[in-house]
Amino acid sequence: DAGVTQSPTHLIKTRGQQVTLRCSPKSGHDTVSWYQQALGQGPQFIFQYYEEEERQRGNFPDRFSGHQFPNYSSELNVNALLLGDSALYLCASSSGLAGQETQYFGPGTRLLVL
Amino acid sequence: AQSVTQLDSQVPVFEEAPVELRCNYSSSVSVYLFWYVQYPNQGLQLLLKYLSGSTLVKGINGFEAEFNKSQTSFHLRKPSVHISDTAEYFCAVSVPPGRGGSNYKLTFGKGTLLTVNP
Repeated sequence: DAGVTQSPTHLIKTRGQQVTLRCSPKSGHDTVSWYQQALGQGPQFIFQYYEEEERQRGNFPDRFSGHQFPNYSSELNVNALLLGDSALYLCASSSGLAGQETQYFGPGTRLLVL
Repeated sequence: AQSVTQLDSQVPVFEEAPVELRCNYSSSVSVYLFWYVQYPNQGLQLLLKYLSGSTLVKGINGFEAEFNKSQTSFHLRKPSVHISDTAEYFCAVSVPPGRGGSNYKLTFGKGTLLTVNP
């Protein structure tokens, strides 16, 4: 049973560029949440997708956007990259039915903005 | 809003010694509580969770945690640590939709780095 997968594992971009990160949820899960983990900090909630719609958003600017596909996979897009966007981006999945309180995390995508 | 405070940023211990990692939370409503572990250059792995019922929760790898509502704490313990337990540990809370929260968003503490020395 495959867990949560994310791609790519590492990414280097320059300021002002745009980036797309991808996530496939754990089998049987339909809800995807994205978190940003800056160096030395705990993860911060960006947003959550369910039934292809964003249903909750954290305190992040509109430069951060996302999408969920019919197969429940998800993308995180960040426009106009800033140096401060350098972080580990974690995707977590959960079930919209039983056990939805428990989120399972992927290995993350480490983004470096130069 | 909820908040989580992990009282120690670093905890060094010797192998086979007991350890306690402290976590306090703040919330005006009842919450769910979680401990996650992050090994170097990896994502987060769920250690254990408290949803309701018995306040002593057992998790994987010999870890356990005790929920104390009056002290708003959820400390993590292990009676005897191994070198392989060296990692960053995160305490997190969420508020279920029925209790004023929405969609189980996790709020994390800043983490405690556990270093087990031989």
